[in-house]
Amino acid sequence: GENVEQHPSTLSVQEGDSAVIKCTYSDSASNYFPWYKQELGKGPQLIIDIRSNVGEKKDQRIAVTLNKTAKHFSLHITETQPEDSAVYFCAASIRILAGFQKLVFGTGTRLLVSP
Amino acid sequence: DGGITQSPKYLFRKEGQNVTLSCEQNLNHDAMYWYRQDPGQGLRLIYYSQIVNDFQKGDIAEGYSVSREKKESFPLTVTSAQKNPTAFYLCASSISGSAGELFFGEGSRLTVL
Repeated sequence: GENVEQHPSTLSVQEGDSAVIKCTYSDSASNYFPWYKQELGKGPQLIIDIRSNVGEKKDQRIAVTLNKTAKHFSLHITETQPEDSAVYFCAASIRILAGFQKLVFGTGTRLLVSP
Repeated sequence: DGGITQSPKYLFRKEGQNVTLSCEQNLNHDAMYWYRQDPGQGLRLIYYSQIVNDFQKGDIAEGYSVSREKKESFPLTVTSAQKNPTAFYLCASSISGSAGELFFGEGSRLTVL
């Protein structure tokens, strides 16, 4: 069935280190993979996304890689800063109606960046 | 500024009461969604609406109801039939129902006393 697994559930790093969060998905037809950042008491915000026709995408300190064969994708944050501390969610698209897709979310990773 | 507005931010309810959470968007988006978030869990889809006057059940629709009478509004009613209603509720919208960015509101935290 539809499932997105996310690891680790918590991640603590020192400022300036890199952070990697990994997700696997079950539906081979999934073609859209966004990453959201959620700060305490707020709604999630999109930070980067990737589509299935691309293997890697980068935006400044953030990058996402996708391995369709293995059905996993990863978020990479370099040169972490304290303001990167938040909960990060991965998601994968699932087609439910003609022309309509929903997102299935992972369980989240709490990232703590210590100064 | 365009965005999604959810209200109230915090809500307390006694068991057996229905409550309605408001969600308004001025992004001119066709699709709207309601998600439920529990500690340590991902976001789970309650209901979605692809277009005005149409909505569909998501993965955990039991005990909830919605309406979509206007494009910009998608209220969620948590009924007394919902067994465990205490949660953080998130409303979202997207330009269309095809895979693309979801824009989320700030959320409503419901606590059942």
